Amino acid sequence: AQSVAQPEDQVNVAEGNPLTVKCTYSVSGNPYLFWYVQYPNRGLQFLLKYITGDNLVKGSYGFEAEFNKSQTSFHLKKPSALVSDSALYFCAVRDTGAGSYQLTFGKGTKLSVIP
Amino acid sequence: DGGITQSPKYLFRKEGQNVTLSCEQNLNHDAMYWYRQDPGQGLRLIYYSQIVNDFQKGDIAEGYSVSREKKESFPLTVTSAQKNPTAFYLCASSSGTHTGELFFGEGSRLTVL
Repeated sequence: AQSVAQPEDQVNVAEGNPLTVKCTYSVSGNPYLFWYVQYPNRGLQFLLKYITGDNLVKGSYGFEAEFNKSQTSFHLKKPSALVSDSALYFCAVRDTGAGSYQLTFGKGTKLSVIP
Repeated sequence: DGGITQSPKYLFRKEGQNVTLSCEQNLNHDAMYWYRQDPGQGLRLIYYSQIVNDFQKGDIAEGYSVSREKKESFPLTVTSAQKNPTAFYLCASSSGTHTGELFFGEGSRLTVL
């Protein structure tokens, strides 16, 4: 069975500092990995995905994520945080070894960027 | 503009009543999904459909029902059998391939009085 863990419920970072939101996964086959952002009372917005190829994936709003197969991780990063980055972030995985197209989400990490 | 439309955005229901949440997409996507979001629990899959006239139960299907009569539409009915229906419900769609990301609607917040 596929699963995702986001070990931090909340991350606080000062504006202008680099930010990291952590994600680890477990799959039986190869993973397809996704990051989403959610603002209050809104739907989720897609940020980026890793399918294959380069381990460093660049996405929307200056975010990037690094796929690390040996550590089964897919951490979200941004070199310089903005106050407007404050939101709820979800990591998700789809297992290529599974028979369905189900996407399993982590429980989310609340990012607060302090001015 | 292409996207997913959920309605209503806010809904109040009395205990014992069924309620249907609408989800329509014009992205020509084959797959559609319903998730439930509760604080601190992330997103949990209720039902999903990979093709018209076919759907499968997700992790928390009890007390819910769906239909997929048209490619564009995937309504969710929250029945009176659902013991704790107050939640934020999210509909999503995807191309139906393993590499395709999900596109989400803006959500429907259901409150049972």
